[in-house]
Amino acid sequence: SYVLTQPPSVSMAPGKTARITCGGNNIGSQSVHWYQQKPGQAPVLVIFYDSDRPSGIPERFSGSNSGNTATLTISRVGAGDEADYYCQVWDSSSDHWVFGGGTKLTVL
Amino acid sequence: QVQLVESGGGVVQPGRSLRLSCAASGFIFSSYGMHWVRQAPGKGLEWVAVIWYDGSNKYYGDSVKGRFTISRDNSKNTLYLQTNSLRAEDTAVYYCARVKGSAETAPFDYWGQGTLVTVSS
Repeated sequence: SYVLTQPPSVSMAPGKTARITCGGNNIGSQSVHWYQQKPGQAPVLVIFYDSDRPSGIPERFSGSNSGNTATLTISRVGAGDEADYYCQVWDSSSDHWVFGGGTKLTVL
Repeated sequence: QVQLVESGGGVVQPGRSLRLSCAASGFIFSSYGMHWVRQAPGKGLEWVAVIWYDGSNKYYGDSVKGRFTISRDNSKNTLYLQTNSLRAEDTAVYYCARVKGSAETAPFDYWGQGTLVTVSS
């Protein structure tokens, strides 16, 4: 089945730009969605269809997808952005919905 | 506003069964596909199952296929997950989530707060 690979952790200083990658075979041909999950809370959709933002999600959150890597970019990171982030796609070959392993974002 | 409220979790012995429920409100439940997603303690998200808006199609993750059954009652605005032959590795928080739109590629736009299932003797 389709595998999505994320770095386990990313650390960034406050005010800087954090980039979280999601690797997959030809993922650029897929629709990628990103979820934020804070401790003890349910996941929240932050980016859908590669680069669209749901209402209420700050413009600091953006996404891109090309080749074998999709990227979630968070600009001007702050303590409130500390969370686990998951990418997700639909695998048409198996009719399975797949999540990446998750990336823990730490704001130093 | 959209609300999804899971219930039915608890502590259960290996080999036993539980039925989880997800009560939906704030939207036309019968127009949306729904998923179950689980998260083992300290682990990542794992997709479990999906059901089409009208119940016509259902798909399952490999680890639960043949043991779990997803269903819905659109007259009661409720989604279900029947979990049979439970194993220790099924221990997790189970979330229900709504599909944004109707395509297989659509994201999960609303999630419940989850219900904890603990499988232990």
